[in-house]
Amino acid sequence: GENVEQHPSTLSVQEGDSAVIKCTYSDSASNYFPWYKQELGKGPQLIIDIRSNVGEKKDQRIAVTLNKTAKHFSLHITETQPEDSAVYFCAAIPYAGGTSYGKLTFGQGTILTVHP
Amino acid sequence: KAGVTQTPRYLIKTRGQQVTLSCSPISGHRSVSWYQQTPGQGLQFLFEYFSETQRNKGNFPGRFSGRQFSNSRSEMNVSTLELGDSALYLCASSSVRENTEAFFGQGTRLTVV
Repeated sequence: GENVEQHPSTLSVQEGDSAVIKCTYSDSASNYFPWYKQELGKGPQLIIDIRSNVGEKKDQRIAVTLNKTAKHFSLHITETQPEDSAVYFCAAIPYAGGTSYGKLTFGQGTILTVHP
Repeated sequence: KAGVTQTPRYLIKTRGQQVTLSCSPISGHRSVSWYQQTPGQGLQFLFEYFSETQRNKGNFPGRFSGRQFSNSRSEMNVSTLELGDSALYLCASSSVRENTEAFFGQGTRLTVV
């Protein structure tokens, strides 16, 4: 089955700096890669995703890059703000196929702290 | 548009008891997945339902079961509770056949004592 490794486990930055979180996956069939942000006491919130037919996607201060050959993808947050402080999870899933439905495989999570 | 609603938010149960958790997906979403979140194991997939049928199952013992109703609402049940079942149980709903773009509820915090 799929295995997703996420680094670093904790990340501390100053407000205004950039933050980068990296994930690698093992199953070459995976072709959808979402990123979730989880704040204390809440469920994970989808913040951005990328599909395997593109290499990069950007949404305001957040961007995700994908390298299918190396099987890794990264989350980039620019101009970080204190409200960006949360736990971030990457995930992977192969599209379609009877054994994949709903089965997101998550990384271990990164605790991001943005200091004012 | 209402999000994914999970009830109850918190539960305390005793070892050996059983528990039922409920999830109401976003209106129009027909796929519901369940995940267990613990500090040690992270987010782990339990099972997924679509149109009242279980389409996929994770690696959990048979004590964990679920079902989905015709209105897409889903329940999961855990029988013979163990201390290790203490966790945040999350439900996610999706609208498309391939079950991408999953939206999570706030979860049910289960504590087994």
